[in-house]
Amino acid sequence: GENVEQHPSTLSVQEGDSAVIKCTYSDSASNYFPWYKQELGKRPQLIIDIRSNVGEKKDQRIAVTLNKTAKHFSLHITETQPEDSAVYFCAAGSSGAGSYQLTFGKGTKLSVIP
Amino acid sequence: EAGVVQSPRYKIIEKKQPVAFWCNPISGHNTLYWYRQNLGQGPELLIRYENEEAVDDSQLPKDRFSAERLKGVDSTLKIQPAELGDSAVYLCASSLGGYGRLVEAFFGQGTRLTVV
Repeated sequence: GENVEQHPSTLSVQEGDSAVIKCTYSDSASNYFPWYKQELGKRPQLIIDIRSNVGEKKDQRIAVTLNKTAKHFSLHITETQPEDSAVYFCAAGSSGAGSYQLTFGKGTKLSVIP
Repeated sequence: EAGVVQSPRYKIIEKKQPVAFWCNPISGHNTLYWYRQNLGQGPELLIRYENEEAVDDSQLPKDRFSAERLKGVDSTLKIQPAELGDSAVYLCASSLGGYGRLVEAFFGQGTRLTVV
């Protein structure tokens, strides 16, 4: 089955700096890569996703890059703000039986220091 | 539009007791997932449904866990008997499903289970 590795497990940055979280996956059949943000005690919420037919996607201060050859993808947050502090999860999905089987990484706890 | 609804939010039970969790997905979502999230970890898939069919239950500990999705809408996840190691947050998620369709998975608030 799919295996998703996520690094680092914790990340502290100064407000205004950039944060980068990296993930690798093992199944070359994976073609959908979402990123979720989970604030303490709350549900995971999708912040951005990318499909394997593109290499980069950007949404305001958040961007995701995908390297299919190397089987890794990264989340980039620029101009970080205290409200960006949360746990971020990457996931890799492969389609099957009409839906996606998502495998999650173990998460990165991001702390933005004011 | 209501999101994914789960109940109860919290549950404390003694070991060896049974427990059940309920999930109501977003209306029209064919795919339903049950995940278990241990403290400080990412969600781990337990079972995935396409309508009423369980298409992936390979990670479900079938000796004590069971799930059903009658009529392809609501779903229940049951543990009997519960063990101390079952303490975790149980998350339900749903998505539209289908090739070429939006595949974002929307999560419920989860049920935090504590087994004592």
